[in-house]
Amino acid sequence: DAKTTQPNSMESNEEEPVHLPCNHSTISGTDYIHWYRQLPSQGPEYVIHGLTSNVNNRMASLAIAEDRKSSTLILHRATLRDAAVYYCILREETSGSRLTFGEGTQLTVNP
Amino acid sequence: EPEVTQTPSHQVTQMGQEVILRCVPISNHLYFYWYRQILGQKVEFLVSFYNNEISEKSEIFDDQFSVERPDGSNFTLKIRSTKLEDSAMYFCASRYDRGTEAFFGQGTRLTVV
Repeated sequence: DAKTTQPNSMESNEEEPVHLPCNHSTISGTDYIHWYRQLPSQGPEYVIHGLTSNVNNRMASLAIAEDRKSSTLILHRATLRDAAVYYCILREETSGSRLTFGEGTQLTVNP
Repeated sequence: EPEVTQTPSHQVTQMGQEVILRCVPISNHLYFYWYRQILGQKVEFLVSFYNNEISEKSEIFDDQFSVERPDGSNFTLKIRSTKLEDSAMYFCASRYDRGTEAFFGQGTRLTVV
């Protein structure tokens, strides 16, 4: 699996937008960009994924660079419940294969 | 909302004993997975299961581990002879198809003493 690089930690204030960056300079043409998060003492939770175009869902938005070598997860209004470790994962969708988790970004949300 | 259910939430076992961790994936899902997370470390892939057979396994998944889908609803992970280093959170996950998201259970905390 191609490698991703994320900051170890980020901080945000409640009700402000949060932009979580991810670099994936070795991404291949068939790799989808997935974001999962893990709240304290819980299992990972799907957030969003995309291939080339920006994506929006009820949880977040995903902005993908034109060259696909980086992406940004955007939480439009952070809440205390969004405090979690956020993982950016590349995955080829032609198989039912694994998710390879890195260290992720620990997001702290201040009240 | 459908969810992946894991039991028990916490299991304590003596070194050398066999344990079975149980999972009920979401009912129409076709791909099933086990991951583990040692305290303070990354989530690690163990095994994937599709069409009643293992489709991929990691180097962690040695002969001490086995998986089974005995009845079309449960998905189990067996560790034959537990070691201290098997202590971890074990997460079951399932997905409907290759292009869809994975749903994870809340995990079973296994403590080997």
